[in-house]
Amino acid sequence: AQKVTQAQTEISVVEKEDVTLDCVYETRDTTYYLFWYKQPPSGELVFLIRRNSFDEQNEISGRYSWNFQKSTSSFNFTITASQVVDSAVYFCALSGYSSASKIIFGSGTRLSIRP
Amino acid sequence: GAVVSQHPSWVICKSGTSVKIECRSLDFQATTMFWYRQFPKQSLMLMATSNEGSKATYEQGVEKDKFLINHASLTLSTLTVTSAHPEDSSFYICSARSDYEQYFGPGTRLTVT
Repeated sequence: AQKVTQAQTEISVVEKEDVTLDCVYETRDTTYYLFWYKQPPSGELVFLIRRNSFDEQNEISGRYSWNFQKSTSSFNFTITASQVVDSAVYFCALSGYSSASKIIFGSGTRLSIRP
Repeated sequence: GAVVSQHPSWVICKSGTSVKIECRSLDFQATTMFWYRQFPKQSLMLMATSNEGSKATYEQGVEKDKFLINHASLTLSTLTVTSAHPEDSSFYICSARSDYEQYFGPGTRLTVT
């Protein structure tokens, strides 16, 4: 069975601080995808990244970076120099590799950035 | 990127009535569509997976006779909540899959009074 665990329910930091959101996953598949989504108060999911299980290279996109460690089944997300606009709920997710695979979500981490 | 729309974006209905939510892939054909439900301050829980022209596959614990899913074409799937009750009030999100990419709709907020 597939499972995604986001142990941090809520995080609150002051603006400009760096913050890391943890994600640990379980799967029996040898190939899979990992995702991060942002859900602002409007509710619409915003896609942030998809990572193929073959590729363990870390990814950086502006203030966002992702650390994929297959050995520990983790896919952590770091926001550098956080801003108030980063306040949202962030979901880590997992899916199989086939075109029919469904995306399974973690419980989410509510991030609040205080001015 | 590809766009998935949902209609309506929000709906209020009376207990005992049925409500239909549409999910459309606007610029691509979706062989598979997914329906998720999200209660306040909770995660997205997959309700069912539907493939065009065939019956939907429901997740454990989801009543298929209550949540009717029709995937009539490669661009349209509908979710009908039958005999809605206040506990069905939730945020319903659809997702459409094209090849190996999956796109999410903006969600429909259902309130049953």
